[in-house]
Amino acid sequence: NAGVTQTPKFQVLKTGQSMTLQCAQDMNHEYMSWYRQDPGMGLRLIHYSVGAGITDQGEVPNGYNVSRSTTEDFPLRLLSAAPSQTSVYFCASSLDSGGARDLTDTQYFGPGTRLTVL
Amino acid sequence: GNSVTQMEGPVTLSEEAFLTINCTYTATGYPSLFWYVQYPGEGLQLLLKATKADDKGSNKGFEATYRKETTSFHLEKGSVQVSDSAVYFCALRGYPSNTGKLIFGQGTTLQVKP
Repeated sequence: NAGVTQTPKFQVLKTGQSMTLQCAQDMNHEYMSWYRQDPGMGLRLIHYSVGAGITDQGEVPNGYNVSRSTTEDFPLRLLSAAPSQTSVYFCASSLDSGGARDLTDTQYFGPGTRLTVL
Repeated sequence: GNSVTQMEGPVTLSEEAFLTINCTYTATGYPSLFWYVQYPGEGLQLLLKATKADDKGSNKGFEATYRKETTSFHLEKGSVQVSDSAVYFCALRGYPSNTGKLIFGQGTTLQVKP
């Protein structure tokens, strides 16, 4: 298994540009999510999905869109990039959202995308 | 709401020293608790977890015990190595969880010197 993969690893954008961060997993996980990591703030949830066709907002959703047309893929779209979106973005997946107290709620993270918006 | 507080870093230790990284949480009910580790330039990896009070998670010589009475989940290791240098995140997930959301602490950087 490749696990959770993310592309690109690095990206520089100008203010106002749009782009899509790709995330894919090959573990047949139902649950997928996007976090952003900022210095001194840990990770914060942007959007999540509990299965194909179902998405919802997390803690910091403004300026981002997601869709989940397949179980494997969960792309994150920046509609009009702003300097405040400069961050490291992580995608994560787990078997489910945590209804059971066992390994099914363990989240596996991708290697991250470092985004700079000028 | 739920929250996690970690001790501020960076923490600098000599090889073979004892490590403690404090983590306390605020949550209703019975959350699951996690420690994740992030090595330089990489994503987060699950280090250990505990799902109920008095559970002890352990992995690679690291341990943490779920203490409901003190709402704590401190990370310990008896003898650190240079290869343990990384950022450590404490996290919780509420139970039951419809969102799957992990609440993270701010992270603690550990640097181990030879």
